[in-house]
Amino acid sequence: GDSVTQMEGPVTLSEEAFLTINCTYTATGYPSLFWYVQYPGEGLQLLLKATKADDKGSNKGFEATYRKETTSFHLEKGSVQVSDSAVYFCALLNTGNQFYFGTGTSLTVIP
Amino acid sequence: DTGVSQNPRHKITKRGQNVTFRCDPISEHNRLYWYRQTLGQGPEFLTYFQNEAQLEKSRLLSDRFSAERPKGSFSTLEIQRTEQGDSAMYLCASSFNDRDTPLHFGNGTRLTVT
Repeated sequence: GDSVTQMEGPVTLSEEAFLTINCTYTATGYPSLFWYVQYPGEGLQLLLKATKADDKGSNKGFEATYRKETTSFHLEKGSVQVSDSAVYFCALLNTGNQFYFGTGTSLTVIP
Repeated sequence: DTGVSQNPRHKITKRGQNVTFRCDPISEHNRLYWYRQTLGQGPEFLTYFQNEAQLEKSRLLSDRFSAERPKGSFSTLEIQRTEQGDSAMYLCASSFNDRDTPLHFGNGTRLTVT
């Protein structure tokens, strides 16, 4: 069945470090791909999305490129801030209108 | 856009009791989803509605769980005869019937079964 596998955490980085969180997916057809972020005590919020191969989603300095050949959608940010500390979820929307989420990667950024 | 609203935010109940949660989606969204999230895990799909029709239910959803969306607006999720394993965060999300539209989540209802 369809699924999302993302890099296990927790991840701890110093402020201004480069961030990569890996995400790969398994799906039939051509899913849409998303990254969601969950700050402490809050609900999941959409961070960025890409709906077709080679699309790049970007928001708040974060980027992810939909790579069909490697079935990946890795999240990157060039310089993280303390305020980026949160849990990040990779997700796909399949052709059956069903969303699947990864298990989440916890990021802590230290000053 | 007032966002997705869920009530209550927290619910503590004793094993064997029934509980009901409410979700008010974004008004123009026709799809509504229920998910369950436990610590350290991503959201697990429970069920979803398109307008008032319940289109899919997860195998995770036992007979003790029932969801409704009368008139295609708000939705309720009821758990009967709660068990300690039901303790989790219950998330509601809504979207348009459009592949480009992401889910918009509420802040969830945290259920603790003692």
